Amino acid sequence: GENVEQHPSTLSVQEGDSAVIKCTYSDSASNYFPWYKQELGKRPQLIIDIRSNVGEKKDQRIAVTLNKTAKHFSLHITETQPEDSAVYFCAAIRYNNNDMRFGAGTRLTVKP
Amino acid sequence: DGGITQSPKYLFRKEGQNVTLSCEQNLNHDAMYWYRQDPGQGLRLIYYSQIVNDFQKGDIAEGYSVSREKKESFPLTVTSAQKNPTAFYLCASSAGGGVDEQYFGPGTRLTVT
Repeated sequence: GENVEQHPSTLSVQEGDSAVIKCTYSDSASNYFPWYKQELGKRPQLIIDIRSNVGEKKDQRIAVTLNKTAKHFSLHITETQPEDSAVYFCAAIRYNNNDMRFGAGTRLTVKP
Repeated sequence: DGGITQSPKYLFRKEGQNVTLSCEQNLNHDAMYWYRQDPGQGLRLIYYSQIVNDFQKGDIAEGYSVSREKKESFPLTVTSAQKNPTAFYLCASSAGGGVDEQYFGPGTRLTVT
């Protein structure tokens, strides 16, 4: 089955700096990669996703890149703000599957 | 925070007792999921249901049971057979499963002593 590894487990940056979170996956058939943000005490929410037919996707300060050959994908947050502080989870799944596998999460702290 | 709800927010039980966690959605979603979240670990799938009256085991189904008698509801029972039941439980739903966005409930924190 799929195995998703996520690094780092904690990340602390200064406000305005960039943050990068990396994930690797094992199942080459996985073709959908969402990222979820979970603020303290709240539910996870989808912030961006990427499908295997593209290599990069951007949404304002957030971008995700995918390297299918190396089986890794990354979340990039630019111009970080204190409200970006949260736990971020990557995930991977195949189109014809319901078993989404999550990474262990990265706790991002943005210091003002 | 409407759409998918879980109750209660906090639940305390004595060891050896079964307990049922509620999950309801009014999004008209076909698929529903139960995850367990432990510190330092990602979300792990317990059970999922693609349609009414059908459900499948996830990675960590042992000690848990579910039912899907109605589209809107997917209750999870944590049985006394679950060795480490204390955890944060998240329910989610999606329109059609697979790559459709999953919408999460607010979660239930279960403590068993």
